[in-house]
Amino acid sequence: AQRVTQPEKLLSVFKGAPVELKCNYSYSGSPELFWYVQYSRQRLQLLLRHISRESIKGFTADLNKGETSFHLKKPFAQEEDSAMYYCALKGTETSGSRLTFGEGTQLTVNP
Amino acid sequence: GAGVSQTPSNKVTEKGKYVELRCDPISGHTALYWYRQSLGQGPEFLIYFQGTGAADDSGLPNDRFFAVRPEGSVSTLKIQRTERGDSAVYLCASRETGGRELFFGEGSRLTVL
Repeated sequence: AQRVTQPEKLLSVFKGAPVELKCNYSYSGSPELFWYVQYSRQRLQLLLRHISRESIKGFTADLNKGETSFHLKKPFAQEEDSAMYYCALKGTETSGSRLTFGEGTQLTVNP
Repeated sequence: GAGVSQTPSNKVTEKGKYVELRCDPISGHTALYWYRQSLGQGPEFLIYFQGTGAADDSGLPNDRFFAVRPEGSVSTLKIQRTERGDSAVYLCASRETGGRELFFGEGSRLTVL
């Protein structure tokens, strides 16, 4: 079975402060991890994926297999980062192409 | 249109009624997914199509739920004898062959009274 846990439902920071959205996963094989974001009144969209090792809108995320974590980080939060963030896992063995999502973290960046 | 299109955007029905939700994926995308999102929860997987066939339907909660994709493009999610617990936003997503990114529609909000 595959499972994604986002321990914080709500996270509030001030503009310019660092932000970290936590994500832990449970999967017996070698997973692919993603972060999806939903801005207000917009559809869910991909933010970044671990295999690309990229930085999008200043966000980065490193897959830590020892801690089974994929935390999302940004050194200086901006007001436009306020959104709902979902961590998601794709198994690479028998579970096919299904994405399993966490419950999400609502990030609010205050001015 | 360039994105995934879902209709209706809102549907209110009475308990026991039958409902159909439609998804029109991005042209050329062979993979299509249905997810259900209840209030305060993340998207929950229902079913995945590769072409016309359901490659994984293990997320369908019971036999009241059924989905089809007869021509490998548009898909319809069908819910029989709706219950109040079926109230949720139903999301559709598509993916191109070999791609890793899911492209989501805006969802169909179902309310069962």
